Amino acid sequence: DAGVIQSPRHEVTEMGQEVTLRCKPISGHNSLFWYRQTMMRGLELLIYFNNNVPIDDSGMPEDRFSAKMPNASFSTLKIQPSEPRDSAVYFCASSPTGGADGELFFGEGSRLTVL
Amino acid sequence: GIQVEQSPPDLILQEGANSTLRCNFSDSVNNLQWFHQNPWGQLINLFYIPSGTKQNGRLSATTVATERYSLLYISSSQTTDSGVYFCAVDPNFGNEKLTFGTGTRLTIIP
Repeated sequence: DAGVIQSPRHEVTEMGQEVTLRCKPISGHNSLFWYRQTMMRGLELLIYFNNNVPIDDSGMPEDRFSAKMPNASFSTLKIQPSEPRDSAVYFCASSPTGGADGELFFGEGSRLTVL
Repeated sequence: GIQVEQSPPDLILQEGANSTLRCNFSDSVNNLQWFHQNPWGQLINLFYIPSGTKQNGRLSATTVATERYSLLYISSSQTTDSGVYFCAVDPNFGNEKLTFGTGTRLTIIP
């Protein structure tokens, strides 16, 4: 079975550019989560969707960040404009149940470097 | 919010040794998972274990929900076990968020 698929795996961009990260959850999973990992802050939940609907976006740092889930098999996390402090590894995860009480499966992450 | 503490923060062992990693949490939980982040950064799901005991090969985990802790046991360590081990919990009450501990960094020396 395919796991959670993220793209790109690595992205290097310049400050001010738009960045779009993509995620395909495991087929049949109802919930999708976007996490960010940095040395300073560890793993932080940015936003999660249940049945394609955003449930909690309180972890999104600021208005420069936006996330969408147009259908059950695809989600995007967009940063516009990007800043050097956005450099991090962004993980997408999915779960077969709603909310955070189900088993969580992570993608391989997208490593973002903003110069 | 819920507090998740992992110990020890760092552990260096010789190949073949056994180890025990601990996760303490401050409130009752719906969900507890153990993850291994390997040196390449991949987060691998080890156990979904809100209560009870599970075993998978050389790894096993026990969660005592009433006492608010979980243990991860690694027997006969191999160099491929190196990495960071995270415990993550979802509290019974409050928002539906999986909160991660700060991890235990395990280094296995050949």
